[in-house]
Amino acid sequence: QSALTQPPSASGSPGQSVTISCTGTSSDVGGYNYVSWYQQHPGKAPKLMIYEVTKRPSGVPDRFSGSKSGNTASLTVSGLQAEDEADYYCCSYAGSNNLVFGAGTKLTVL
Amino acid sequence: QVQLQESGPGLLKPSETLSLTCTISGYSISSGYYWGWIRQPPGKGLEWIGSISRSGTTYYSPSLQSRVTISVDTSKNQFSLKLSSVTAADTALYYCATQTGYYSFDYWGQGTLVTVSS
Repeated sequence: QSALTQPPSASGSPGQSVTISCTGTSSDVGGYNYVSWYQQHPGKAPKLMIYEVTKRPSGVPDRFSGSKSGNTASLTVSGLQAEDEADYYCCSYAGSNNLVFGAGTKLTVL
Repeated sequence: QVQLQESGPGLLKPSETLSLTCTISGYSISSGYYWGWIRQPPGKGLEWIGSISRSGTTYYSPSLQSRVTISVDTSKNQFSLKLSSVTAADTALYYCATQTGYYSFDYWGQGTLVTVSS
């Protein structure tokens, strides 16, 4: 399977909203409601931010939200804060017990 | 809260077999969940390697399936990764993680760097 497509970079000013896309195919993103998003700060392990497209784990601020339309999933970060600057990765179930990640998006808070 | 810790050799020669162990604390591996391995080459993105259930059923990435073995040791509350015939392309930070519902990785270890070099 091929990696999911994410923009290499995204940016926004504090307080603004930014949306990161994750594009796959009908065999992965479009075929299942099993998209998750991970935040990774430099030198740290990834952290689960969104699972099953829209669900937030306990402790994740509600400024983070997920959605999906067709073969593209999106992560929106509202009310940007300095600590949101990180790399973000999407991951989707791809059938036959396979999981595939996106290439990652570097979010910069201006 | 579940905590995970990877361990294993940090330097391998080409053609050797990578062996890593993930030790779990705060949860009994035999109680449930799935347990996965993910890797990240330096400066690059994440790649799912494979996962295992508490009963030992394994699921491998198609691209690595021929070289990967994941096993579980409930007596030690650990699960392990073996990757055979390594090359420089296998140089990466290797993470272990829990998958409470299989489809997402909920808790991660801190990662261990494995370098393949002659």
